[in-house]
Amino acid sequence: EVQLQQSGPELVKPGASVKISCKASGYSFTGYYMHWVKQSPENSLEWIGEINPSTGGTSYNQKFKGKATLTVDKSSSTAYMQLKSLTSEESAVYYCTRSRNYYAMDYWGQGTSVTVSS
Amino acid sequence: DIQMTQSSSSFSVSLGDRVTITCKASEDIYNRLAWYQQKPGNAPRLLISGATSLETGVPSRFSGSGSGKDYTLSITSLQTEDVATYYCQQYWSTTWTFGGGTKLEIK
Repeated sequence: EVQLQQSGPELVKPGASVKISCKASGYSFTGYYMHWVKQSPENSLEWIGEINPSTGGTSYNQKFKGKATLTVDKSSSTAYMQLKSLTSEESAVYYCTRSRNYYAMDYWGQGTSVTVSS
Repeated sequence: DIQMTQSSSSFSVSLGDRVTITCKASEDIYNRLAWYQQKPGNAPRLLISGATSLETGVPSRFSGSGSGKDYTLSITSLQTEDVATYYCQQYWSTTWTFGGGTKLEIK
């Protein structure tokens, strides 16, 4: 069974950084891209970027360049997203989700809530 | 970036109704169009990919159609469990984008 298990909710102070994890199981980790999606409190969805776990190659939404950094640890089949210099605009639920090349996102993690507040 | 517009942000429907949700891209996306269903507190669920291909396990009352810039999600005979928010998403361009969502509510 394919599973993407994300780390727990985060409460962080403005200006700080946070690193969210997404542990994959039930499939070949290096055979699928891993994407990250932001869902804002008003429920809009934004694609942050993707990483190819096989090569480490990344592609980012221009809006999130410099804000998000995507990495993977192939040894543990875990993907990470670090968000830096956080403001209240980054308070949201963040999802990891996988896709085959040129295909839609078929499995999603349960989401990680990030709250930026002093 | 390609803009995805879902014309209705919400509408009220009755159980058993046929429902049609539309999505328009700002340019041709060559059928690289997915539909997702999201219920409160849950992650989005992929229903349809490639504009028309139903994912395994998705009830056959769901169907997708369209081409070019214009796409449609249809639900025949709406069931209680279909009450949710539906999002379209394009994966043609290098920056993937979502529609704003269409929330279905029961009359």
